Amino acid sequence: QVQLVQSGAEVKKPGSSVKVSCKASGGTFSIFSISWVRQAPGQGLEWLGGIIPLFNTTKFAQKFQGRVSITADESTSTAYLDLGSLRSDDTAMYYCARAAGSMNIDLFFDYWGQGTLVTVSS
Amino acid sequence: DIQMTQSPSTLSASVGDTVTITCRATQTVGSWVAWYQQKPGRAPKLLIQTASTLQSGVPSRFSGSGSGTQFTLTISSLQPDDFATYYCQQYKADSTFGQGTKVELK
Repeated sequence: QVQLVQSGAEVKKPGSSVKVSCKASGGTFSIFSISWVRQAPGQGLEWLGGIIPLFNTTKFAQKFQGRVSITADESTSTAYLDLGSLRSDDTAMYYCARAAGSMNIDLFFDYWGQGTLVTVSS
Repeated sequence: DIQMTQSPSTLSASVGDTVTITCRATQTVGSWVAWYQQKPGRAPKLLIQTASTLQSGVPSRFSGSGSGTQFTLTISSLQPDDFATYYCQQYKADSTFGQGTKVELK
């Protein structure tokens, strides 16, 4: 059974950056893309971007271009989200999610992490 | 970017009701639409993919339809466990989600 386990909650100052990890187990890591989706308090879901670990191929939502980085370490089956220039409206639960098919970032998600709460506050 | 407009934002219903949620895309997305259920404090759960294919283990009272720009999620004979928030997602180009529909007890 595939499991995605994320790193713990973070509190950051405006203007700083945050790095969240997502460790996969129970499946083949390299060929399934991992995406990051966030949810502000009481709000809907927002896709930030994704990566295919085997090729280090990435895609990002236009809104986050230049401010987000997604990387993957095949040796530890872990994906990472780096979000910089943090603002108060970046306060959200950040989820990693695995695509249901291989070699594609544009897909639906069948496995999700438990979420990491990132709070941006001065 | 492709936007997904979901309606209604809130839906009040009773156990046993049949409810329908609609999602409209700003441009055609073929059948590349998924539906998720989310309960408070939990990650979303995949219900339907490719507009109408039920995910394994999801009860058959859930069904999806549509293609192009108009999609629907129908829940027949609503059960107590179905009170939750539902999201559509297009994945034809990147991913975008609808704003969500909260199904609440009337």
